[in-house]
Amino acid sequence: GAVVSQHPSWVICKSGTSVKIECRSLDFQATTMFWYRQFPKQSLMLMATSNEGSKATYEQGVEKDKFLINHASLTLSTLTVTSAHPEDSSFYICSATDVWTSGSFDEQYFGPGTRLTVT
Amino acid sequence: EDKVVQSPLSLVVHEGDTVTLNCSYEVTNFRSLLWYKQEKKAPTFLFMLTSSGIEKKSGRLSSILDKKELFSILNITATQTGDSAIYLCAVLNTGTASKLTFGTGTRLQVTL
Repeated sequence: GAVVSQHPSWVICKSGTSVKIECRSLDFQATTMFWYRQFPKQSLMLMATSNEGSKATYEQGVEKDKFLINHASLTLSTLTVTSAHPEDSSFYICSATDVWTSGSFDEQYFGPGTRLTVT
Repeated sequence: EDKVVQSPLSLVVHEGDTVTLNCSYEVTNFRSLLWYKQEKKAPTFLFMLTSSGIEKKSGRLSSILDKKELFSILNITATQTGDSAIYLCAVLNTGTASKLTFGTGTRLQVTL
């Protein structure tokens, strides 16, 4: 149980285009999903926290107009990188917490990640 | 700003060696400290530590937390090549969003 999927697993796009990444909780409902970015040989940096049905909370330094997050249901959150540039090339990972454990340790289940390359 | 620092940044050992990975933190509203193993894709959960001095153990891996000195160690005994990975330490705060702050990671390579 507690499987999180991401689609696509990798994507190459041209500079100036937009890319949408999907994060799905396959066998549980997720009240909260998190989006992380990981550059080569660096750790995971939290970009934003996404709660179902409300606006995402972005970390300091993350442009909300560039990284659009939508969490329309308890099983799906999307991250859209708008007007992508080469410096946006990175590994994007989402995680989700199970609504039934809310209030206790909200273990985060991680997706497999999406590798974005902007040319 | 919450801060998690891991050391060493990278480590190369021979199969069979024992390694100790360190994690220190400075966070407000500390709740728990977690260890993850990351190979080529997303991190996989190893341990969650909430109380000081209580060792968590899983096979050849063990970990302990010191909340007074604000650090944790992860020990791996009799290392194998399959232990080669990045080991991430993260701190969970007490906010409702259960936000994780990750450390820099330790890249472990186990050679034959």
